[in-house]
Amino acid sequence: DTEVTQTPKHLVMGMTNKKSLKCEQHMGHRAMYWYKQKAKKPPELMFVYSYEKLSINESVPSRFSPECPNSSLLNLHLHALQPEDSALYLCASRRGQDYGYTFGSGTRLTVV
Amino acid sequence: DQQVKQNSPSLSVQEGRISILNCDYTNSMFDYFLWYKKYPAEGPTFLISISSIKDKNEDGRFTVFLNKSAKHLSLHIVPSQPGDSAVYFCAASARNYGGSQGNLIFGKGTKLSVKP
Repeated sequence: DTEVTQTPKHLVMGMTNKKSLKCEQHMGHRAMYWYKQKAKKPPELMFVYSYEKLSINESVPSRFSPECPNSSLLNLHLHALQPEDSALYLCASRRGQDYGYTFGSGTRLTVV
Repeated sequence: DQQVKQNSPSLSVQEGRISILNCDYTNSMFDYFLWYKKYPAEGPTFLISISSIKDKNEDGRFTVFLNKSAKHLSLHIVPSQPGDSAVYFCAASARNYGGSQGNLIFGKGTKLSVKP
């Protein structure tokens, strides 16, 4: 298995909803990442997990809450989002510093 | 302040010819560079990478060149194929940069169109 799987592929949620994005990989990668990409912009780093521990939080609002329950799974819990949070949310993983990143296909989130 | 710059938002090339995508960076601590290809509604797909100890890396039709003194890298695709049409992102990382241990910094991307 050489993929990063993200679910759901599309999500529409209201500003009062609570939802979660899921990311899964079975490549044994111990670093996992959440990126956010707005239209016509490069991906921007949100969170980094290294060995299931949060190592980087790039000043992301608390309405985004990451969770890494085990080495294969990464979640992003969403609550009270704003319409400007609508974007493509990408999960990535990699084996180590000398290796490239493997990206999932993303979750297209729309906040209404 | 953009640390990774792709100054050409788009590039159009005829099928069979060479595509050259350029990328400039400002942070001299970057020591690992990658190119990703992205189709609409999909995540970026890793293409090719190069470490700062090299100046060239080749993989099939794709070659990445690194000029450290100029802080410039380029991706050559030859021959270009219509299926290569996508947005290409240049990305860079640095060991222990701000303690972030190699997180990727992306350029804004170049949209490549290969015409049959």
